[in-house]
Amino acid sequence: SQKIEQNSEALNIQEGKTATLTCNYTNYSPAYLQWYRQDPGRGPVFLLLIRENEKEKRKERLKVTFDTTLKQSLFHITASQPADSATYLCALDSARGGGYNKLIFGAGTRLAVHP
Amino acid sequence: EADIYQTPRYLVIGTGKKITLECSQTMGHDKMYWYQQDPGMELHLIHYSYGVNSTEKGDLSSESTVSRIRTEHFPLTLESARPSHTSQYLCASSEARGARNSPLHFGNGTRLTVT
Repeated sequence: SQKIEQNSEALNIQEGKTATLTCNYTNYSPAYLQWYRQDPGRGPVFLLLIRENEKEKRKERLKVTFDTTLKQSLFHITASQPADSATYLCALDSARGGGYNKLIFGAGTRLAVHP
Repeated sequence: EADIYQTPRYLVIGTGKKITLECSQTMGHDKMYWYQQDPGMELHLIHYSYGVNSTEKGDLSSESTVSRIRTEHFPLTLESARPSHTSQYLCASSEARGARNSPLHFGNGTRLTVT
């Protein structure tokens, strides 16, 4: 069956360090992958999208990689700040060739950045 | 922040009551979605719409129904609420043009508790 796995344990890091979050998937061939941030009691907020033919995408302190051979995406936050503390969700397009955004979400990884 | 609004934010209601969760967006997006999320768990798609008068069921079976009479409005209704319906309900929208991979814009959700 189709499955998305993100680290269920919280990631605790020191301010200023680089946070790396992992998203692994099985039985998908996604055309693209998206990363979202979710704060407690709020809806997810879109951060980055990466397509299957892109190895890496950057936006300010954020970097996403996409390895379709390993079926894995890595999400990096450089020079992390306490304000980066949140849950980060990855989402895959599961309807390749379909007519709408059939996004399947992982359960997310909670990041805590300590001063 | 996306212009998508959900009301109410919190709802506590007794078993057997009929409820409607409201969702409105001011971005003119054709595609709208309802997701269900339990704490620490994945978002599950329960309904989506391509546009006015279009509604489809998502991957997670739900006893709720939706309607799309106007582009900006996508309400979700439960005819008879049960404790098993207790969850967070998130509404989202996305552009239709070009982009199967358009990011989703989420509201802040309605946390429903059925007693």
